[in-house]
Amino acid sequence: DAGVTQSPTHLIKTRGQQVTLRCSPKSGHDTVSWYQQALGQGPQFIFQYYEEEERQRGNFPDRFSGHQFPNYSSELNVNALLLGDSALYLCASSNTPGTKETQYFGPGTRLLVL
Amino acid sequence: GESVGLHLPTLSVQEGDNSIINCAYSNSASDYFIWYKQESGKGPQFIIDIRSNMDKRQGQRVTVLLNKTVKHLSLQIAATQPGDSAVYFCAERASNTGKLIFGQGTTLQVKP
Repeated sequence: DAGVTQSPTHLIKTRGQQVTLRCSPKSGHDTVSWYQQALGQGPQFIFQYYEEEERQRGNFPDRFSGHQFPNYSSELNVNALLLGDSALYLCASSNTPGTKETQYFGPGTRLLVL
Repeated sequence: GESVGLHLPTLSVQEGDNSIINCAYSNSASDYFIWYKQESGKGPQFIIDIRSNMDKRQGQRVTVLLNKTVKHLSLQIAATQPGDSAVYFCAERASNTGKLIFGQGTTLQVKP
């Protein structure tokens, strides 16, 4: 039973560029949430996708966007990268909202913006 | 505003001793709480969860206690082992939302 997987593991970009991160949820899960974790901090909620739609959003600018595919996998896109976007980006999957919603995390993608 | 806070940033214990990690939360509407363990270079790993209609829940070597009166959550680890060394986060979720709110974490160091 595969857990949550993310790709790539590491990424280096320069300011102004765009990046796409990918996530495949745990088998049996249909909901994907994205978090940003700065060094030494707890994860911060970016948004959650269910039924291919953004269900809820945290306090992140519109430069952060996402997508969910029919197979429940998801992408996180960040445009016009800033130095402050350097962080560990975590994907978490869970069951249908309203059911047991324990979120299980992937290993993350480490993004460095130069 | 929203916040989940941890009382101690670093906890150092002797191998074999019991560990207690504390957490305060501020949102009285939160109905679900989770403890995660995060090792260096890895994503958070689920340890145990508890719903607001419970005061205590036990797992294998771990116990979570919830005191809604003072908005306090704790994680107890019995017979702490070197493999327990990590950063521990508590997280809360407000009712009818998918958003988890995390604290900054407590580093647990286990001395052999």
